[in-house]
Amino acid sequence: QKEVEQNSGPLSVPEGAIASLNCTYSDRGSQSFFWYRQYSGKSPELIMSIYSNGDKEDGRFTAQLNKASQYVSLLIRDSQPSDSATYLCAVLTGANSKLTFGKGITLSVRP
Amino acid sequence: SAVISQKPSRDICQRGTSLTIQCQVDSQVTMMFWYRQQPGQSLTLIATANQGSEATYESGFVIDKFPISRPNLTFSTLTVSNMSPEDSSIYLCSVAGSGSREQFFGPGTRLTVL
Repeated sequence: QKEVEQNSGPLSVPEGAIASLNCTYSDRGSQSFFWYRQYSGKSPELIMSIYSNGDKEDGRFTAQLNKASQYVSLLIRDSQPSDSATYLCAVLTGANSKLTFGKGITLSVRP
Repeated sequence: SAVISQKPSRDICQRGTSLTIQCQVDSQVTMMFWYRQQPGQSLTLIATANQGSEATYESGFVIDKFPISRPNLTFSTLTVSNMSPEDSSIYLCSVAGSGSREQFFGPGTRLTVL
């Protein structure tokens, strides 16, 4: 069974710090990786996608992918209280575009 | 990106009844999916809604319990049949455009079964 694992949380960081969120996946054939942010009571919002090894930066967010280690991470620089949410790692597998989600990690940014 | 709406946004239903959830997109999309998010849990794919043909269900989900329609490229419905309290969840549709690997989610339908 193809799995996506995320560090158990919750994760608490002070305002202005770097938050590091990690994810591993079991299907070595996976090619597409995503991070979603979900505020309480809301639906998931896509914030980053990454398809190639290395780093991808978008504003305060950086996604990192290492296919050899089957590892994807999300760094949030200069964390703000508004970043407090649950972050879901998702991996696209198979020809039918099935998206498999990790359990998510709840981030709390302390003012 | 596409604007996705779902109806109803929430409902409280009695055991043994059925509820149909609608998902409408403001532009044509290639792929539409239905997910379930049980309380405190992550998302689980129920099925892929195929336009003009039967939906493709994931392991553990069957058509009799979760019939799905997709009559065109902008609309789909999910019915939760013969409901029990265990069906209390948030049901979400997602869409992906032609050639795109990114999926975007609708606002969700929060279902409570008494």
